[in-house]
Amino acid sequence: ETGVTQTPRHLVMGMTNKKSLKCEQHLGHNAMYWYKQSAKKPLELMFVYNFKEQTENNSVPSRFSPECPNSSHLFLHLHTLQPEDSALYLCASSQAGPGAEAFFGQGTRLTVV
Amino acid sequence: SQELEQSPQSLIVQEGKNLTINCTSSKTLYGLYWYKQKYGEGLIFLMMLQKGGEEKSHEKITAKLDEKKQQSSLHITASQPSHAGIYLCGADKAGNEKLTFGTGTRLTIIP
Repeated sequence: ETGVTQTPRHLVMGMTNKKSLKCEQHLGHNAMYWYKQSAKKPLELMFVYNFKEQTENNSVPSRFSPECPNSSHLFLHLHTLQPEDSALYLCASSQAGPGAEAFFGQGTRLTVV
Repeated sequence: SQELEQSPQSLIVQEGKNLTINCTSSKTLYGLYWYKQKYGEGLIFLMMLQKGGEEKSHEKITAKLDEKKQQSSLHITASQPSHAGIYLCGADKAGNEKLTFGTGTRLTIIP
């Protein structure tokens, strides 16, 4: 248990569906991240939020829409996804600033059919 | 382009043997992180190295960062089944806490 909780753990959705992934941390961290992990590829940083402000968008398609209502919660809203978007989506949090250890959630296994 | 290279990509080791995993960057690293991941699950932090020449140990795992801060090695002594998993090195290359990761090394321990 790392203190970062992701829900749901598994999600199957059709290409026309709209769903959201949720991430929650009560570690007092002020930076939160979304990563995508596909088979045979490195972990890809998608979004970074510092103090609720988005500071990084790594050329992510607009069908992925992040939301950070407060420093403890992070969402990833999904709509009109493609089968190639099937992956493990990992949330992480840390103290802002270099050299800070990132704590990861267990991930959401997303399958787009 | 792939900025962090890990080798080997996979490793099968007999229980009790020692092993080493390497992580190489083409750029100087502000911070080098080692994580372990059970298949399909989140990452567990192992250790972080910042200073050139730094070495840290935790139980039977030792990690080193070379003097130029461009290569790190993770060494496991007397491996056990509990060491099995995917080992990922992550780097904070710009000192702005944006971690990027290598492709990982899948470690299998056989009895």
